[in-house]
This record gives sequence, structure tokens and C-alpha cells, in this order.
Amino acid sequence: NAGVTQTPKFQVLKTGQSMTLQCAQDMNHNSMYWYRQDPGMGLRLIYYSASEGTTDKGEVPNGYNVSRLNKREFSLRLESAAPSQTSVYFCASSLLWTEAFFGQGTRLTVV
Amino acid sequence: GIQVEQSPPDLILQEGANSTLRCNFSDSVNNLQWFHQNPWGQLINLFYIPSGTKQNGRLSATTVATERYSLLYISSSQTTDSGVYFCAVDDYGGSQGNLIFGKGTKLSVKP
Repeated sequence: NAGVTQTPKFQVLKTGQSMTLQCAQDMNHNSMYWYRQDPGMGLRLIYYSASEGTTDKGEVPNGYNVSRLNKREFSLRLESAAPSQTSVYFCASSLLWTEAFFGQGTRLTVV
Repeated sequence: GIQVEQSPPDLILQEGANSTLRCNFSDSVNNLQWFHQNPWGQLINLFYIPSGTKQNGRLSATTVATERYSLLYISSSQTTDSGVYFCAVDDYGGSQGNLIFGKGTKLSVKP
């Protein structure tokens, strides 16, 4: 039982490059989330998915797209990376209105 | 949207001391969680506590939902307790159980 697994753990991109962050959970949770964490800040919600086939914008969605591939997997895509997207990205999952569990994070640097 | 305020922002303790961290929130919530972010960046679930009191070893937490605050108690602190402690609540009036994070309390425990 791995919980929430994110890949990759570290990534360096050049401005304008694209990449996809992968997230998978094995807890049979309906809801999945992508957050970003910037220095001195708490986590801010980028996108979430309440169930397979649905996605909604969070607080800071600009520059990102998501795909809920199936119940287990929720990916985050940066189409054209910008230095402002340098951050640590966390994926999380939960049953609705219950305890959320987080992955280990992806540290992304855009140069 | 709901506001989450944590205090103090920074706390330095001598090993063996006790401490209380506070989380105030501005509206009714379904979900309140405390997390510890260790120096490696990992988010560790401490408590899921929308109301009442829970204890886990040297840590305990109390949420008084009617007065919109939660407290995290750390007793006999150890150097391994160092890191950032986050309080996160859902937005009761919002959708899908998204967690709104406070900015955290940075705890440093000196040997």
C-alpha cells in the first residue's frame, strides 16, 4: 500500500518546455488534488478532481492543465513552463470531506 | 473564501519544552487537519480533527468548531519535531472538500 505516489521527484526545465507530473493513489479515493507550495507560503490549490471524469479549477490554475485518467491517476501538465512556475508541487487524494493524504512532492525549477 | 491564520509564525524551543500552536479560521468547516512538514519537505498527517480532542503520543490537538479555532500541543519537544506545522481546513460553503492551508508555524527545537 504505497498511498500517493508522485513522479518525478525533481525536474529542471527551460522556459517554454512542457512536462507532465504524474500522480497515482491506491486508496480508492474519489477526490484528487494538485497543490503548489512557494517559499514561506502554505499550499495553494491548482486543480482538483472530485471523481473520475471531472476536473475543476482551484485558486491558481493559470498555466496548467490536468487529466483524471482513471480513478487512480491524476496528472498535471505544464504546456509552456515559465520561471513563475518554479515551485514544489504536491498531489493529494481523499474521500470527500475526509482526511487528505499527500504525495512526497515534486521540486520543479524553470530556468 | 475562508481565511486560516496560524500563530505564532516562528517558534524556537529548547529540547524538552512544551508548546501550543494555534489555528483560527473564519467560517464553519467540515474538515480540519494538522500536518507536519519535515525538513525534507514531506507532509505528514498528524491529526484529522474537525471537532473534539485527540492525542497521539506527545502530540495532542483540540478543535472548538463553534469558536473557530484549533490548538496543537507538543509536549517534551524533541529535535525531530522541528519543521513547519500547517493547519488546513475545507471550505464548508465551497465544493468538493478542497483544503485551504494556513501559512504555517515554523518550529525549531534546539538540543
